[in-house]
Order: sequence, then C-alpha cells, then structure tokens
Amino acid sequence: GNSVTQMEGPVTLSEEAFLTINCTYTATGYPSLFWYVQYPGEGLQLLLKATKADDKGSNKGFEATYRKETTSFHLEKGSVQVSDSAVYFCALSGSARQLTFGSGTQLTVLP
Amino acid sequence: DGGITQSPKYLFRKEGQNVTLSCEQNLNHDAMYWYRQDPGQGLRLIYYSQIVNDFQKGDIAEGYSVSREKKESFPLTVTSAQKNPTAFYLCASSIAGFSYEQYFGPGTRLTVT
Repeated sequence: GNSVTQMEGPVTLSEEAFLTINCTYTATGYPSLFWYVQYPGEGLQLLLKATKADDKGSNKGFEATYRKETTSFHLEKGSVQVSDSAVYFCALSGSARQLTFGSGTQLTVLP
Repeated sequence: DGGITQSPKYLFRKEGQNVTLSCEQNLNHDAMYWYRQDPGQGLRLIYYSQIVNDFQKGDIAEGYSVSREKKESFPLTVTSAQKNPTAFYLCASSIAGFSYEQYFGPGTRLTVT
C-alpha cells in the first residue's frame, strides 16, 4: 500500500536559517504529492502541491520538487520566520482516492 | 466566503454517551472525509464519502458512524463502542478524484471522561 515517511522532529531553527524537511514515499502508479501546514489548535492548510514528476510546487517562499527517481518530495525554505512555526505534513493522493499522510514534523523558529 | 465549518470547537462528554460532530461545507465539493488526529501523530482516516447517500470505511472506522444525506453535510457520530474517543477530529472535502487536494475544517477537540 501507499506510505509516507517524514523526517523525525522536532526541528528548531533560528530566524533566517535554511529549512529542509525530508519526505519520501512508497506508492503504486503516479501519485500527487502535497505539503500541508497545521498551526496550533487549527486544521490543516494546503501549502503546496505537485501532480507529476519533476513538478515544483511553491508557495510563501516554500518549495518542493517531485522526484520520481528518488521517490522524494522534500520541503525547503531559504529563510524561515518565527511565523513559520507549525507542524508540517507530507501527503500523497493515489488511485485509492484517499490522502496518505506522514506523521508530521514540528518546526519551531526562534527569534 | 467558501469553506468548511466544524462545530463545536471543543466538546466534552461522559464515557458511555454517543456524540455527534458537525461538518458543513459550501465549496460544492462532492467528496468529504473524517480524520482522527492524536498528539504527535499523523492523520488517520475514519470514513469518507464520494457522493450523497454513499460512504466507505477508512482505516479506523470501528466505533464511529456517519451519514451523507446532503452534499453539504457529513456528520460523524462517535459511539460508546469507541474505546479511546478523546482526540482531535478533522473534517475535509475535495472535488471527487484522486489528484485533487483536500480542504480542511478547523477541527473539533473531543474529550471523554
């Protein structure tokens, strides 16, 4: 079946540091890939997506590239802010019409 | 504004009572979903519905029930048969189809004592 593996958290960075959160997946067929963000006590918000190999999703300074050869979709941001502190979830949507989520990575950015 | 609403945000119940969580969307989405989130964990799918009057069990359906009488509404009942009901419950919707992203409501935190 489908599965998503994210790097273990928590991740703590200083403001303006570079961020990478690793995400790898196992899936049959050609899944779409997503990053969601969850702020404390809230629901999930879609951050970015990619629907085919080599696509790059981007939003609010975050980027992720769909790498089929390495089955990865790593999230990056060049300069994080305190307001980026949240939990980040990698997810895939495959032929089963469901989203499969990773376990989430807690990010804390210190001023 | 289009979106998904869940009510209430916080819910407290005594053990042995059934409780129903509300989820409404005005996005005109065909598909709706219920997830459970426990502290420090990812989301687990409880039930989903692709069209009105039809729904399927997800990975952890035991102790839960749903209905889909209207396109806009997908209420979840947590029954007394659910062994560990205390959790954060999230409702989502999407355009039917496997490549479309899901949009989430703000969640309901249920505490059963």
